[in-house]
Amino acid sequence: DQQVKQNSPSLSVQEGRISILNCDYTNSMFDYFLWYKKYPAEGPTFLISISSIKDKNEDGRFTVFLNKSAKHLSLHIVPSQPGDSAVYFCAASEAHAGNMLTFGGGTRLMVKP
Amino acid sequence: DVKVTQSSRYLVKRTGEKVFLECVQDMDHENMFWYRQDPGLGLRLIYFSYDVKMKEKGDIPEGYSVSREKKERFSLILESASTNQTSMYLCASSSLAGGGYEQYFGPGTRLTVT
Repeated sequence: DQQVKQNSPSLSVQEGRISILNCDYTNSMFDYFLWYKKYPAEGPTFLISISSIKDKNEDGRFTVFLNKSAKHLSLHIVPSQPGDSAVYFCAASEAHAGNMLTFGGGTRLMVKP
Repeated sequence: DVKVTQSSRYLVKRTGEKVFLECVQDMDHENMFWYRQDPGLGLRLIYFSYDVKMKEKGDIPEGYSVSREKKERFSLILESASTNQTSMYLCASSSLAGGGYEQYFGPGTRLTVT
């Protein structure tokens, strides 16, 4: 049973608009969440993270929101650019779990010029 | 910059062959990981290692083994490759410093078993 789920396999957005990628989790012991971005034929690269003691973290055009009661996090990209087109994975970790990450299934974002 | 390298980008093997995938990181990280990525399933952890000669099973260890004889090198072994092991294999490393949650990935090896 997947503990981290990304229910939208794909998302298409116009350049300049906001992209919102969603992620749900079931394990209440998760206390740290990350977003990774993956281009074809490359490994995933770290994008942004958030600790469970916060509900928002911002880095330039990227903002991650965490709603612990709903066990939901989202990644906002504003404004979206064609270079943002990639697969986005959310991941979660629990303290004392040996730095292991549990990944969602990924969402393919396409930003149209 | 952290660099994680994998021995091959593309590999084609026959059913029953023994397959070695090698991963090297240059940042003196304690932790190393092997994942496979399949469409819709995300990244699933096969094995990880938190020290030389130490290993722990991940979510899908069946059909795989690993070896970590040196801190910088982590090998994934398919003892007898099968067609259901056709996948993208990704190696990652992380440091215990600063919490150690962020993992750095190699470019991946796309393995096809025929």
